[in-house]
Amino acid sequence: NAGVTQTPKFQVLKTGQSMTLQCAQDMNHNSMYWYRQDPGMGLRLIYYSASEGTTDKGEVPNGYNVSRLNKREFSLRLESAAPSQTSVYFCASRGWSLDRAANYGYTFGSGTRLTVV
Amino acid sequence: DQQVKQNSPSLSVQEGRISILNCDYTNSMFDYFLWYKKYPAEGPTFLISISSIKDKNEDGRFTVFLNKSAKHLSLHIVPSQPGDSAVYFCAANEFQGAQKLVFGQGTRLTINP
Repeated sequence: NAGVTQTPKFQVLKTGQSMTLQCAQDMNHNSMYWYRQDPGMGLRLIYYSASEGTTDKGEVPNGYNVSRLNKREFSLRLESAAPSQTSVYFCASRGWSLDRAANYGYTFGSGTRLTVV
Repeated sequence: DQQVKQNSPSLSVQEGRISILNCDYTNSMFDYFLWYKKYPAEGPTFLISISSIKDKNEDGRFTVFLNKSAKHLSLHIVPSQPGDSAVYFCAANEFQGAQKLVFGQGTRLTINP
């Protein structure tokens, strides 16, 4: 099925460990995003890539890095995990179509639940 | 500062009645507003949207109302069904720069039989 695929679905890290969250989309979308979801905070933007070859910081970028590997893939890296990074991480993509409403909406992956102990 | 706010963390409604979810925003440069629905262990899915040049958009049981002067939008679900139980996020599109969505905190809607 076409969509956004995130791996892994679950991960437990020890403080100080590093890991990379993977995201791939097969809809030929130009823009990709990483959000984190925390109770009472909603979805907050970490980093985004408006097009292949570009990346920009969002609202909460500290402690994260990203790589837009190609048009399909956008990875999120935690270099030294901290308990404050315990969260659910969502990758999303957006493309352009004749349906104007669809131009504004994201397609989300199913999320990665990360726990840092 | 929170540019998009959903002040009700939760809402409980009886099946068959109307559910009204509210959202306030502060940025006048938002040009498009969207509602997303999220079930546990799944990613958010698009529900309905409205352009800033309109004040109402309907799609079946779902209607979104936009009051630009009050910087307020609401989602009406009628009649409410058990499958509507989920977390609902309000989102707004930033018109300037690299367009991206700003989300509210979410409202957990529970439909009681």
